[in-house]
Amino acid sequence: KAGVTQTPRYLIKTRGQQVTLSCSPISGHRSVSWYQQTPGQGLQFLFEYFSETQRNKGNFPGRFSGRQFSNSRSEMNVSTLELGDSALYLCASSLSGYSYEQYFGPGTRLTVT
Amino acid sequence: AQKITQTQPGMFVQEKEAVTLDCTYDTSDQSYGLFWYKQPSSGEMIFLIYQGSYDEQNATEGRYSLNFQKARKSANLVISASQLGDSAMYFCAMSRYGNNRLAFGKGNQVVVIP
Repeated sequence: KAGVTQTPRYLIKTRGQQVTLSCSPISGHRSVSWYQQTPGQGLQFLFEYFSETQRNKGNFPGRFSGRQFSNSRSEMNVSTLELGDSALYLCASSLSGYSYEQYFGPGTRLTVT
Repeated sequence: AQKITQTQPGMFVQEKEAVTLDCTYDTSDQSYGLFWYKQPSSGEMIFLIYQGSYDEQNATEGRYSLNFQKARKSANLVISASQLGDSAMYFCAMSRYGNNRLAFGKGNQVVVIP
């Protein structure tokens, strides 16, 4: 069974640009969560999508948005990039609305210059 | 709000020895789950073990065991018989029961030496 895949793996953008990251969950999984990991703030929850609906949202500005498609694949978008958005973005998938096992992807390393 | 505290500095562990990673938490929820994840240098978070707040027995998964002390709000991870491949960052996390949103601690760096 294929694991969680994230594309692209690495990305370099300039301040002010926007970026879209993609996450394909494990087949059959309906929940996708996104996390931002930085050395200073650690791992912070961005949002969760379940069956194409946003179920949870963390404390991030509106520049961070996401969506989920009918095949459970999810995208997150960051508009008007700032230097502080440089981070490892991880997505996690789980089978149901609540599962003690969430499987993480390898992450997308975003660098904003 | 949920808060996870991991305060140990980086640790060096001799191969084949056991290591305990400390984790304390704070929450007003009655039902919650506690998790440990491993993050090697590649960046991927690997699920290790789960403990529900109402589970009376400590969770075990192979070489991993979770020492759960509810009254003290601690959920320490014990890795027995350390292997070189155990070198990684280890994160303690929790979620409200019924919710996939995880709150993570800052992590513990473990380096296993031969």
